[in-house]
Amino acid sequence: DIQMTQSPSSVSASVGDRVTITCRASHGINNWLAWYQQKPGKAPKLLIYTVSSLQSGVPSRFSGSGSGTEFTLTISSLQPEDFATYYCQQAGSFPITFGQGTRLENK
Amino acid sequence: EVQLVESGGGLAQPGGSLRLSCAVSGFTFSTYWMGWVRQGPGKGLEWVANIKQDGSEKYYVDSVKGRFTISRDNTKNSLYLQLNSLRAEDTAVYYCARGQPASYNGVLTGFCDAFDSWGQGTVVTVSS
Repeated sequence: DIQMTQSPSSVSASVGDRVTITCRASHGINNWLAWYQQKPGKAPKLLIYTVSSLQSGVPSRFSGSGSGTEFTLTISSLQPEDFATYYCQQAGSFPITFGQGTRLENK
Repeated sequence: EVQLVESGGGLAQPGGSLRLSCAVSGFTFSTYWMGWVRQGPGKGLEWVANIKQDGSEKYYVDSVKGRFTISRDNTKNSLYLQLNSLRAEDTAVYYCARGQPASYNGVLTGFCDAFDSWGQGTVVTVSS
């Protein structure tokens, strides 16, 4: 199975900050890498797919990059509604696996 | 509008069974991979199972193989998850999700690369 490891597990930031979250895969995933945002009590929301493609309706302050086994999600200027937990997910092979999550908190 | 609505969750005893359903609307159900993802209390997301458009391919996480069965009825626009031999560690919110078609260089691969629409979830609690 492919293990997905996110870092950091939590991060404190302020509105307007630039935030970067990293996801590392234990094996190559052919760029089948997605990012989700989840708020408490809500279903996850797809933000980014195939490393860097922005899902329709997602603000352009969200961006994804990376290749091979290392990937990043960047929020260029944090907004109040961005405080949430973020997950990466690989679909390069079954079983599909998620990272453990990164909690983005208000400093 | 795409909608996915789960039902069937509840309290079950260890070793018991439940059947989860997901009724979908707003898209052509028969043309999408579908999946189930669960989230234990205070935990992260765990993929459970996927099913191909025509039901001919099914994939499961190891921890549920032989106990859970994913199925679909394209005539009823519905996805199902049969949960048997339940364990305490199966306690979770179970989400139904639509698989986004994966494409490579503009060509569809036949698989899904992410889950682009989710239901609100249904809670399964396994306890005596």
